[in-house]
Amino acid sequence: SAVISQKPSRDICQRGTSLTIQCQVDSQVTMMFWYRQQPGQSLTLIATANQGSEATYESGFVIDKFPISRPNLTFSTLTVSNMSPEDSSIYLCSPTYQETQYFGPGTRLLVL
Amino acid sequence: EDKVVQSPLSLVVHEGDTVTLNCSYEVTNFRSLLWYKQEKKAPTFLFMLTSSGIEKKSGRLSSILDKKELFSILNITATQTGDSAVYLCAVEYNTNAGKSTFGDGTTLTVKP
Repeated sequence: SAVISQKPSRDICQRGTSLTIQCQVDSQVTMMFWYRQQPGQSLTLIATANQGSEATYESGFVIDKFPISRPNLTFSTLTVSNMSPEDSSIYLCSPTYQETQYFGPGTRLLVL
Repeated sequence: EDKVVQSPLSLVVHEGDTVTLNCSYEVTNFRSLLWYKQEKKAPTFLFMLTSSGIEKKSGRLSSILDKKELFSILNITATQTGDSAVYLCAVEYNTNAGKSTFGDGTTLTVKP
């Protein structure tokens, strides 16, 4: 299985600021997904980030709000821009490794 | 519209009981159905099901898929307090992106 780490594990931010979440995988993975899980809800896909191409965003999510980088096959970042309290969620990166989808440990974000 | 529906939404049992969690789906381009256990932040992978009628087992957990009736069940026998978690069902799409849609989850509470 793949070993995945995320930084930060949690943060408390002020509205209007931005936070960049890092996701590191110990193996090279082609497909990387970013999910959000708002309190009491299930996982919602934000975007798909494959190395060498622009991220593909799901309905309701835009690049200006959630810019993503994927500089290589083991690393990706998600930025939550101009945050509001509604962005308070757990954010999870999810690489697909050997045809199995794994999840990072998550970043718990609270926006005041 | 694609959807994944889990039932029940929550379940409270006592140690030693057997539970069955349900997942029905309506999606286009079905590739596989996945079960995850979520205790704190990150879901952990349990099973991937791609073929009908083939039971997958891991200890006290087992799961089976019915692609004709479009549902899957997750069984847990001889439940323990450590089984308390949210169990998520997801359907993976058969596209190059390989993304998944998640159900709302079943919250299982196992009392001593």
